[in-house]
Amino acid sequence: DGGITQSPKYLFRKEGQNVTLSCEQNLNHDAMYWYRQDPGQGLRLIYYSQIVNDFQKGDIAEGYSVSREKKESFPLTVTSAQKNPTAFYLCASTMGQGSYNEQFFGPGTRLTVL
Amino acid sequence: AQSVTQPDIHITVSEGASLELRCNYSYGATPYLFWYVQSPGQGLQLLLKYFSGDTLVQGIKGFEAEFKRSQSSFNLRKPSVHWSDAAEYFCAVASGGSYIPTFGRGTSLIVHP
Repeated sequence: DGGITQSPKYLFRKEGQNVTLSCEQNLNHDAMYWYRQDPGQGLRLIYYSQIVNDFQKGDIAEGYSVSREKKESFPLTVTSAQKNPTAFYLCASTMGQGSYNEQFFGPGTRLTVL
Repeated sequence: AQSVTQPDIHITVSEGASLELRCNYSYGATPYLFWYVQSPGQGLQLLLKYFSGDTLVQGIKGFEAEFKRSQSSFNLRKPSVHWSDAAEYFCAVASGGSYIPTFGRGTSLIVHP
């Protein structure tokens, strides 16, 4: 079955550590996205990528980095510069860039800073 | 810039009762509108979407939504709620200029037996 996988499901980070969240899709979608979800704040866009080897900052990119070396993979690194990283992180993809394209979401990764 | 407002943070209904979740958007031209549902600890799943044509849109799981341009609204409805409908519901809007949707803050649906 086609879909998006995110790993790990739960992640714990110590202060000052960088951690990388994995996102893989086998839908052959061109565009991929990372969102952060906090209670009562909906989804906020961190980074997105329309094509391999290219990505753009979203609304809250500070303290995060991404790469897009393969079409199916879009890992997110939460760096030590992110002051409040505890949140639920969602990866999504769309077939193309049109506004009519629905987003397909992964199951999410819950990151907790100890 | 496009924006979405979901005025209700929480909605509580009894099982079998009807449901309406409100969504208002701000965008000058005809927007692309979506409703997603999120079960606890899970990703989002598309319920339905509106681009053009018939303003009453049918979705999965018995949901429907009506686009009202005069009210800038896209409210989600279900005639009879089941306990399994308890979840977080998100309205989203995208425009021709920005294909990345803007999400509302979500409405949490609680279903009483």
